[in-house]
Amino acid sequence: DTAVSQTPKYLVTQMGNDKSIKCEQNLGHDTMYWYKQDSKKFLKIMFSYNNKELIINETVPNRFSPKSPDKAHLNLHINSLELGDSAVYFCASSPTGLEQYFGPGTRLTVT
Amino acid sequence: AQSVTQLDSQVPVFEEAPVELRCNYSSSVSVYLFWYVQYPNQGLQLLLKYLSGSTLVKGINGFEAEFNKSQTSFHLRKPSVHISDTAEYFCAVIPPYGGATNKLIFGTGTLLAVQP
Repeated sequence: DTAVSQTPKYLVTQMGNDKSIKCEQNLGHDTMYWYKQDSKKFLKIMFSYNNKELIINETVPNRFSPKSPDKAHLNLHINSLELGDSAVYFCASSPTGLEQYFGPGTRLTVT
Repeated sequence: AQSVTQLDSQVPVFEEAPVELRCNYSSSVSVYLFWYVQYPNQGLQLLLKYLSGSTLVKGINGFEAEFNKSQTSFHLRKPSVHISDTAEYFCAVIPPYGGATNKLIFGTGTLLAVQP
């Protein structure tokens, strides 16, 4: 009965590779988000989708491309991975755009 | 631009003692305010929220927070902490733009370290 799930939980890859992180929510929410948490635990929004439409794009490099095949899924694809992309990525969803429910996170390590 | 300040990066406290985690935000207009908790190696869990109404907000796990508009603060309190409360606590605001463009703006977090 997981509300917001992410796969994989851990991702270790080399510089230059392309990888994807998947997010699914079974809460029936219209809005989904991607946040990045850096090594100092600072959290910053990256993207927001509302009913499959991109709403927020927070000055994220073009190498990051979110895709929402339906309103229950929001995937994050990252091209040409760099060392600085190492972080924990959190997916979240919201029914109202106010309280947001977070997934367990995906720890990405780029070597 | 909206910002959130959590002045204490770490708060050590003994078990069963009271605790206050401070949060101040920068805004001259009304905002929506939240506290999230992150246990080690887990995602964020909503502790409590202030949207409108009573300035004293009660949340889960015995936590409460008070919205103070004149001081632009939203401090989190618990009268008696447990070892299991050890976690990172994040204060966050949403400026009142409305709808799906809402985005959480987080503070830098406060590590609550409860000692036996």
